[in-house]
Amino acid sequence: DTGVSQDPRHKITKRGQNVTFRCDPISEHNRLYWYRQTLGQGPEFLTYFQNEAQLEKSRLLSDRFSAERPKGSFSTLEIQRTEQGDSAMYLCASSPSRSMNPRSGELFFGEGSRLTVL
Amino acid sequence: GENVEQHPSTLSVQEGDSAVIKCTYSDSASNYFPWYKQELGKRPQLIIDIRSNVGEKKDQRIAVTLNKTAKHFSLHITETQPEDSAVYFCAASSGKNSGGYQKVTFGTGTKLQVIP
Repeated sequence: DTGVSQDPRHKITKRGQNVTFRCDPISEHNRLYWYRQTLGQGPEFLTYFQNEAQLEKSRLLSDRFSAERPKGSFSTLEIQRTEQGDSAMYLCASSPSRSMNPRSGELFFGEGSRLTVL
Repeated sequence: GENVEQHPSTLSVQEGDSAVIKCTYSDSASNYFPWYKQELGKRPQLIIDIRSNVGEKKDQRIAVTLNKTAKHFSLHITETQPEDSAVYFCAASSGKNSGGYQKVTFGTGTKLQVIP
């Protein structure tokens, strides 16, 4: 499967613990996004990388959240001192640059990492 | 920022009937409007999209219409089948962001149930 992969798929943690999620995008995609989805809601934008550069962060992303994409390939999303309100599905998506596919705006999503904070 | 509203939140139709989902957006600069389908426990997947230079686009049983003046767009599914049952998300994007990428804002979703 050459799609976007995320790990772990499920994570249960106690309040106050740190968690880290990993995303491996489609290899030729230089754009990578993190979204959060709660029950009954659409995906909410968290942050965006173009290659290794983090170009935008949502105001939803408090200082407990940090994302990296050190080599422009895989990305990690870390949540420190988790709170019950952090419980959600964390979706990663990737897309090619416009130079690769100028007409497409499609986001290719992973299966997501479901976080439950007890 | 962009705000996308979607209605209805749930929709039940008999197999073979049509389904219509409506969305409105707030940012007049938005120029790209994708629709994603998310089956239970699965990832969202693009099913159709439309750009602001066209008013309608069709792909087999699925069509999307766009009214830029009124800032609303709709998804039409004809001859619905049980496998169409899923959550559908509309979205809007303006492309006016750093790095030239398109930040996509999603609606809240419509849960479609097709009754056999």
